[in-house]
Amino acid sequence: QVQLQESGPGLVKPSETLSLTCSVSGDSVNPYYWTWVRQPPGKGLEWIGYIYYSGTASPNPSLKSRVTMSVDRYNHQVSLTLRSVTAADTGVYFCARGDRVNFSHFYMDVWGKGTTVTVSS
Amino acid sequence: DIQMTQSPPSLSASLGDRVAITCRASQAIATFLNWYQFKPGRAPKLLIYAASNLHGGVPSRFRGSGSGTEFTLTITNLQPDDFATYYCQQTYNPPFTFAPGTTSALTFGPGTKVDFK
Repeated sequence: QVQLQESGPGLVKPSETLSLTCSVSGDSVNPYYWTWVRQPPGKGLEWIGYIYYSGTASPNPSLKSRVTMSVDRYNHQVSLTLRSVTAADTGVYFCARGDRVNFSHFYMDVWGKGTTVTVSS
Repeated sequence: DIQMTQSPPSLSASLGDRVAITCRASQAIATFLNWYQFKPGRAPKLLIYAASNLHGGVPSRFRGSGSGTEFTLTITNLQPDDFATYYCQQTYNPPFTFAPGTTSALTFGPGTKVDFK
């Protein structure tokens, strides 16, 4: 059974860099998409972006200048880096596995429980 | 970006009830629409993909319908495990071209919380 586990620092200071890892167990990172979604406190879900197992990434244009995503196929991990964080980046960050039906419809079928990130001095 | 709305924002229901949640897109998205179930502290679950396809292992009391700009998630015979927040997500954008520098914006609806009456 595939499981995803997000991990990160929990607390990050404003203007610093947030680094999160998503550890994949029970399956390979191939040939999937690996996505990141976040949820600010009391708010809805925001799409951060995806990275294909080959390394091609596609971030949300609103975050593109601050986001880097990477895949470590050998260690079965996916990483998210968010630079120059502010309080608005506070929230729960989820990683999820993405796939496509018939090279068309996309969905995220396995999720982690999320990790809470607080940006505060 | 494609904007998604959901109605109602919340609803109260009883065990055995039938509930319906509507999701609307700001432009036509064919059937590029998924539904997810969120519970605090739990891994979210995919319920429906491509508007009406039941994900494996999801009970048949969940049904998705719609195309274009209006979609519905219907839950019949509401069970205790169904009290949760439900989100729709459009996957019409992006085109998955794999071109360097491509951005994506697979937007979610604001959610509908289903709680116990």
